[in-house]
Amino acid sequence: AQKVTQAQTEISVVEKEDVTLDCVYETRDTTYYLFWYKQPPSGELVFLIRRNSFDEQNEISGRYSWNFQKSTSSFNFTITASQVVDSAVYFCALGDNFNKFYFGSGTKLNVKP
Amino acid sequence: AAGVIQSPRHLIKEKRETATLKCYPIPRHDTVYWYQQGPGQDPQFLISFYEKMQSDKGSIPDRFSAQQFSDYHSELNMSSLELGDSALYFCASSFSGSGSNSPLHFGNGTRLTVT
Repeated sequence: AQKVTQAQTEISVVEKEDVTLDCVYETRDTTYYLFWYKQPPSGELVFLIRRNSFDEQNEISGRYSWNFQKSTSSFNFTITASQVVDSAVYFCALGDNFNKFYFGSGTKLNVKP
Repeated sequence: AAGVIQSPRHLIKEKRETATLKCYPIPRHDTVYWYQQGPGQDPQFLISFYEKMQSDKGSIPDRFSAQQFSDYHSELNMSSLELGDSALYFCASSFSGSGSNSPLHFGNGTRLTVT
């Protein structure tokens, strides 16, 4: 069965701190896709990144970076030098080959000035 | 770039009333999804359409129905509304044709409040 676990329900940091959001997934598929979405207080869901299961190369986009490790079934998300505008709920999701998506329960990030 | 458009943004209904939510996917996207997100919860999959045909069904109540029209827009119809239906309803679209599982692009959601 497909499953995504985000063990951190809520994290609070002070601005400029680095923070890592954990995501662990379960799947028996060899081909799958991993995603991160951001949901700010305004409510919309914003797509951040997609990785496929054959590409374990880590990715950096500005202050955001993602660490994909198949050996531990993890796809962690790090924000460097956090800012107040990063405050949001972040969802990790798993997509299978049948276009089904499985969301984690989300991690609420509070960045305090 | 064009995004997924949902209407209305906010909707207030009374118990036992009906509601219709609309979604206009990104042009050339062939798959539309509907999700329900309760307070403090992750989005729950309701139903999806691929090329105007229902492709998958999730935890959608029998009181709800949806369809996708010839212009690819989709509507979620909700009848006999209950207090527990109060939630944020998202529509998302993606391009599935290549089998590459493109990301879901979400609309801004419709916040439904049932009183």
